[in-house]
Amino acid sequence: GAVVSQHPSRVICKSGTSVKIECRSLDFQATTMFWYRQFPKQSLMLMATSNEGSKATYEQGVEKDKFLINHASLTLSTLTVTSAHPEDSSFYICSARTGLRTDTQYFGPGTRLTVL
Amino acid sequence: ILNVEQSPQSLHVQEGDSTNFTCSFPSSNFYALHWYRWETAKSPEALFVMTLNGDEKKKGRISATLNTKEGYSYLYIKGSQPEDSATYLCAPGNDYKLSFGAGTTVTVRA
Repeated sequence: GAVVSQHPSRVICKSGTSVKIECRSLDFQATTMFWYRQFPKQSLMLMATSNEGSKATYEQGVEKDKFLINHASLTLSTLTVTSAHPEDSSFYICSARTGLRTDTQYFGPGTRLTVL
Repeated sequence: ILNVEQSPQSLHVQEGDSTNFTCSFPSSNFYALHWYRWETAKSPEALFVMTLNGDEKKKGRISATLNTKEGYSYLYIKGSQPEDSATYLCAPGNDYKLSFGAGTTVTVRA
């Protein structure tokens, strides 16, 4: 149980285009989903938190107009990187949690984004 | 976001040997500590969630302890096996979110 899928696993795009990444909880309802970013040899950095039906809460320094997050249902959240540039190239990974803040966050396998 | 330190950054263990490593974090506003195991090309796997000072959790040959007063947690692997090779992440929580350390990468040599 508690499986989270993420699609695509790898994407290469041209500078200036937008890329959408999907995060799905397959066997549970996720009231809260999180989006993280990881630079090489660094820790997972929280980008934003989304609750189903609400606007996402972005961490300081994360541009909400560049990283659009939608959490339209209890099983799906999407991250859209708009007008991507090479500096947006990174590893993006989502997690999902059921309810309480002490509950486990279940992670997807991540998406490697390369912007040419 | 908390400043989380994990040490060592990496370690090599002979198969059958036991090992342990540390996660240090600020103890203020703490509510839980999560441990994850992350194998290459897979999703991070949840190992433990600990909330109380003195908590000890065990899952097979892996166990963890928590000291919330001084802000550290140890993770132990007993009788290491090749399948234990992974990066182990700790993540203390404050407010509603987790802050991740950079991880300890364990390589078990057969």
